[in-house]
Amino acid sequence: EVLLQQSGAELVRPGSSVKISCKASGYTFTDYYMHWVKQRPEQGLVWIGRINPANGNTVYAEKFKSKATLTADKSSNTAYMQLSSLTSEDTATYFCTRWTYWGQGTLVTVSS
Amino acid sequence: DIVMTQTPLSLSVAIGQSASISCKSSQSLKYSDGKTYLNWVFQSPGQSPKRLIYQVSKLDSGVPDRFSGTGSETDFTLKISRVEAEDLGVYYCCQGSYSPLTFGSGTKLEIK
Repeated sequence: EVLLQQSGAELVRPGSSVKISCKASGYTFTDYYMHWVKQRPEQGLVWIGRINPANGNTVYAEKFKSKATLTADKSSNTAYMQLSSLTSEDTATYFCTRWTYWGQGTLVTVSS
Repeated sequence: DIVMTQTPLSLSVAIGQSASISCKSSQSLKYSDGKTYLNWVFQSPGQSPKRLIYQVSKLDSGVPDRFSGTGSETDFTLKISRVEAEDLGVYYCCQGSYSPLTFGSGTKLEIK
């Protein structure tokens, strides 16, 4: 069974960074790109970018190029997304997805 | 960026009736390989999104055949025949032909 298990909710201070994880199981991790999607409260879905776990190549949406950093660890079948210089605009649920499969989402709340 | 315009923003449908959602892209989604990467993604309340349809009309595994997708180039339609209570939620079209991937604003389906 394919599973994408994301790390738990985070409460972080403005200006700080956060790193969330997405552990994949049930398939060959390096065979599929991992995408990340943002959803602000009561709003729609926004694509952040994707990583090729086989070689670490990344593609970002322009607006996230200085905000998000995607990495992948083949040894642990885990994808990561680091978000930096956090503001209230970054308060959202973040999903990792292989499109056919989605993680459960990680809520990041930015508040002082 | 390709703009995806969905209509209507919401619709109310009785159980057993059909529903139709339109999605228009700001440019053709036909990629250089001849394929059209138009997906339909569904999100029920409080849940992670789930892809229903990919490449315009191909149903993901486990998706009932009450769902169908049609269209080409810039005009696409998701049809749900015989709506069931479990279909309530938000439907998004999403293009994967060109980076950045972009979503429509969503159509909220309510059960009348």
